[in-house]
Formats: sequence, structure tokens, C-alpha cells
Amino acid sequence: ILLTQSPGTLSLSPGGGATLSCRVSQSVTSSSLAWYQQKPGQAPRLLIFGASNRFTGVPARFSGSGSGTDFTLSISRLEPEDFALYFCQHYDGSLVTFGQGTRLEIK
Amino acid sequence: QLQESGPGLVKPSGTLSLTCAVSGYSITNAVWWSWVRQTPTKGLEWIGAIYHTGGTDYNPSLKSRVNLSIDRAKNQFSLDLMSVTASDTAMYFCARMSAAMASMPYWGQGIVVTVSS
Repeated sequence: ILLTQSPGTLSLSPGGGATLSCRVSQSVTSSSLAWYQQKPGQAPRLLIFGASNRFTGVPARFSGSGSGTDFTLSISRLEPEDFALYFCQHYDGSLVTFGQGTRLEIK
Repeated sequence: QLQESGPGLVKPSGTLSLTCAVSGYSITNAVWWSWVRQTPTKGLEWIGAIYHTGGTDYNPSLKSRVNLSIDRAKNQFSLDLMSVTASDTAMYFCARMSAAMASMPYWGQGIVVTVSS
């Protein structure tokens, strides 16, 4: 299974909204799709699991959606701390695969 | 909390050995313990995971060179990556994986390992 994220880089202004895409090479169950945020020098931070469930402590401005082969991470009202690298991840029960990432940068 | 440790420099053809010490959570709980590495060019790459019982799953691309083990007495787990080359130079992370959540909610801070003579 391949995960393709788009766009590679997204340039936006604080206060705006962001939509990040993760396309999977074959249909998967929603329960197997997660999203992470990573800032420079830090480990990835789990944001969303099961395609749409926010992990503990994740602000409500982060939301996940999608099914089958197309999944989306949406961020509303961008805060300065939201500008980071974002990855989607799939787990099929025995193998974990990551997307190549989307860089969200300040415009 | 998870904390990686090990040599920051490994010679080509040698074995990269890392340990992840787990604190505040028993390694014998029913979760998977994972290793992930990251490079600027390849991004995040899952290496493999070990269950509390010792069962393992590996990335097929690395399976022939990887061995994971678990030390219940020390509450830690380890990675051995054999026959390393410069392409194994990366930031290595350990993480706790939840099969129910199909994701990794908890990560170590990572350790940089360079393969060079």
C-alpha cells in the first residue's frame, strides 16, 4: 500500500484554513488511517486516529475525514504553532506505512 | 515515557544496536513496541514492532537485516540492524503502538545514528 500526500508544501496565513490530502493506493478501512504533526527536532505527534478521532489533547481545530482511498486532515483557524510537517499513516495489522509528508508553511 | 540510547556512530558493515527504555508503563502490557526511522530524503520509515509476548512484525524491505528483542526485567526493548551502510544513517525513534488505534500515540525523542568509517 502506498500513501501519497498532497500538496507537498502548503503556504498559508495564520487564521486561515488548511486542507491536507492523503490518497491510498487501495481501499482501506477508516480505522487504519492516522495523522501526525512533526515540528523540527521533535518526534511525530499523533493528531488523528481512525481517520476522524482526535487524540487526547489535540485542539478541536484539527479534524480528519475520508474513507476508502481518500482521506483529509483539515485545520481551521491556523495558529502559528500549526506550521509544521504533517504525515498520514496506515496500519494493516502487520505493516505500517507513512506518507511522504506535507509541509505547512507560513505565507 | 520512551528514551532511545545507543551509539551515535556505526561503521559500515557493522551492526546498529539501539535500546528503548520505557518508564511509567509496563512493557508487558498488551501493546506493540515499534521502531521508526527518518531521513530527509526518505521521510518516515517503519522498521518493525515487537509484541509484549515477543512476537514480531518487520518491514519487508528491512526484514533480512533486523532483529527486535524485548527485556521484561529491564522494561525495555531493542533494535539490531545488521550490515549497515550509509543509507541507514537516520534519526531513529522508538514508539508505543496501539493496534486498537492503529497508530503510535507515544514516541521517544529520537536518536541520530550515522554510519561512517
